[in-house]
Amino acid sequence: KAGVTQTPRYLIKTRGQQVTLSCSPISGHRSVSWYQQTPGQGLQFLFEYFSETQRNKGNFPGRFSGRQFSNSRSEMNVSTLELGDSALYLCASSFPDREYTEAFFGQGTRLTVV
Amino acid sequence: AQTVTQSQPEMSVQEAETVTLSCTYDTSESDYYLFWYKQPPSRQMILVIRQEAYKQQNATENRFSVNFQKAAKSFSLKISDSQLGDAAMYFCAYRSALRNDMRFGAGTRLTVKP
Repeated sequence: KAGVTQTPRYLIKTRGQQVTLSCSPISGHRSVSWYQQTPGQGLQFLFEYFSETQRNKGNFPGRFSGRQFSNSRSEMNVSTLELGDSALYLCASSFPDREYTEAFFGQGTRLTVV
Repeated sequence: AQTVTQSQPEMSVQEAETVTLSCTYDTSESDYYLFWYKQPPSRQMILVIRQEAYKQQNATENRFSVNFQKAAKSFSLKISDSQLGDAAMYFCAYRSALRNDMRFGAGTRLTVKP
């Protein structure tokens, strides 16, 4: 079974631009969560999508948004990029049932804002 | 809000020896899950072990075991017979049974000396 796939792996953007990151979950997984990892703040939850609906949201500004498609693939968008948005963005998919609580992570997208 | 604390930024262990990584958490919930994830330089988060709060028995996965003290809100990871491949960042994570978002600790960097 293929794992969680995130594209692109690396991205360099200029301050003020916007960016879209993509995540393809494991087949059959309907929940996709996004996390931001920085040296200063560590791993922080951005949001979770389930069946095309945002179900949970972390404490991030509205510049961070996402969506999920009918095939469970998810995209995350960051508008008006700031230098502080430079981070590793991780996507995790899971089958949100009580017995299947494991989240499988992708290898992440390294975003650098210059 | 739930918080996860890892008080050991760095740990070191000799190959074949045993090491214990500490984790404490704060929650008012009674039903939740706890995880230890490993993040090697490749950046991909890999699940090491998980513990359901409603289970009193400590989880074990081969050389990895946990000491789950629910009343003390403590969840430590013991790695036995340490191997060079165990070198990585280890993150303790909490997930409510009600929401599919994980709260991570700051991580412990484990070095394994040959």
